[in-house]
Amino acid sequence: GESVGLHLPTLSVQEGDNSIINCAYSNSASDYFIWYKQESGKGPQFIIDIRSNMDKRQGQRVTVLLNKTVKHLSLQIAATQPGDSAVYFCAERPDQNFVFGPGTRLSVLP
Amino acid sequence: DAGVIQSPRHEVTEMGQEVTLRCKPISGHNSLFWYRQTMMRGLELLIYFNNNVPIDDSGMPEDRFSAKMPNASFSTLKIQPSEPRDSAVYFCADATSGNTIYFGEGSWLTVV
Repeated sequence: GESVGLHLPTLSVQEGDNSIINCAYSNSASDYFIWYKQESGKGPQFIIDIRSNMDKRQGQRVTVLLNKTVKHLSLQIAATQPGDSAVYFCAERPDQNFVFGPGTRLSVLP
Repeated sequence: DAGVIQSPRHEVTEMGQEVTLRCKPISGHNSLFWYRQTMMRGLELLIYFNNNVPIDDSGMPEDRFSAKMPNASFSTLKIQPSEPRDSAVYFCADATSGNTIYFGEGSWLTVV
């Protein structure tokens, strides 16, 4: 039957704990990957990126890991805060275009 | 830099009316993208331009949709005539070659 809408995976995390959001990408030709954060009522906001010649990149409180063997990308958020509550998207670039995943909703519990 | 600027931020229109969404990209960014976001389908690419030239419009739903980029600092997405199923958030985004794309805050369209 027809789905009524995207059912976003939800990750609930206690404030102060670390969060890990996962993403499986589809195209082995993708050479560039980005994580975006989208808060309610706003546009997707760049968090961190990684190129295919790397397997790890760190930012402020965030780390992106890339496993090209299994086409897997993850975003780690250290010491999760209430302001981290949002939908997180991964994006891959197989050509001149970017392809976005469906997103994961992160809910931070007090 | 003010980032990607979109207008209007919100629009409610009646079915059959023409809708024009506008985008001002970041100065110096040579690629521009129009995306549509809905609960049903997530974030979908409609069309993208490189150096003001449309490169891929395969995501444009049908002939009712058209997009233009007359110069490097302005783009429009037009829907004529609009239908209720066009209700969505429309994002404009831009990038420099090979680099991160930056999104505007979106135009929230409701067609009744």
